[in-house]
Amino acid sequence: DVKVTQSSRYLVKRTGEKVFLECVQDMDHENMFWYRQDPGLGLRLIYFSYDVKMKEKGDIPEGYSVSREKKERFSLILESASTNQTSMYLCASSFFYEQYFGPGTRLTVT
Amino acid sequence: RKEVEQDPGPFNVPEGATVAFNCTYSNSASQSFFWYRQDCRKEPKLLMSVYSSGNEDGRFTAQLNRASQYISLLIRDSKLSDSATYLCVVNIPNTDKLIFGTGTRLQVFP
Repeated sequence: DVKVTQSSRYLVKRTGEKVFLECVQDMDHENMFWYRQDPGLGLRLIYFSYDVKMKEKGDIPEGYSVSREKKERFSLILESASTNQTSMYLCASSFFYEQYFGPGTRLTVT
Repeated sequence: RKEVEQDPGPFNVPEGATVAFNCTYSNSASQSFFWYRQDCRKEPKLLMSVYSSGNEDGRFTAQLNRASQYISLLIRDSKLSDSATYLCVVNIPNTDKLIFGTGTRLQVFP
């Protein structure tokens, strides 16, 4: 079974803080993704990585950066958290097109 | 036009009913199609892939109509445990990325 884990289920941060969200997968997948999910908007792709140290912007990269130093780990960084980044953050890894998701991190920025 | 469109529902059906969801997609070059299931406050999970010839997995049947660019999911003999949001998912051609619909909510009642 594919296992994707995320560092926190719930997180509360203050405006302006730097926030790190970690994701780890155990299936040796090349591709990893970060999405955010908001009511009525569905899943929106923030960043995508297709190999170690390789990344590509998704649809909404502004205010975010990513790091992939090892194949199994993909980190999402909020450089200076803002209230409009309050959301559910979902990490996924994929084998071809089939994506497997972690349990999500519900981030609240106050 | 949205890239992937779904009726948000909710579809409220009694146990044992048959229910069908449709989804339309805008890019005729898309080649891979999926249905994901998402329970409340949980991550999306792959339900089934959708093949050109149609495919069945127990009570679930998926169909693809390339000419009209729509995908359908049929659930027979609905169970209470089928209550969830069903996401229609389509690949972005020439990439490893997917587009997720905003989902159709199903509520099965006793």
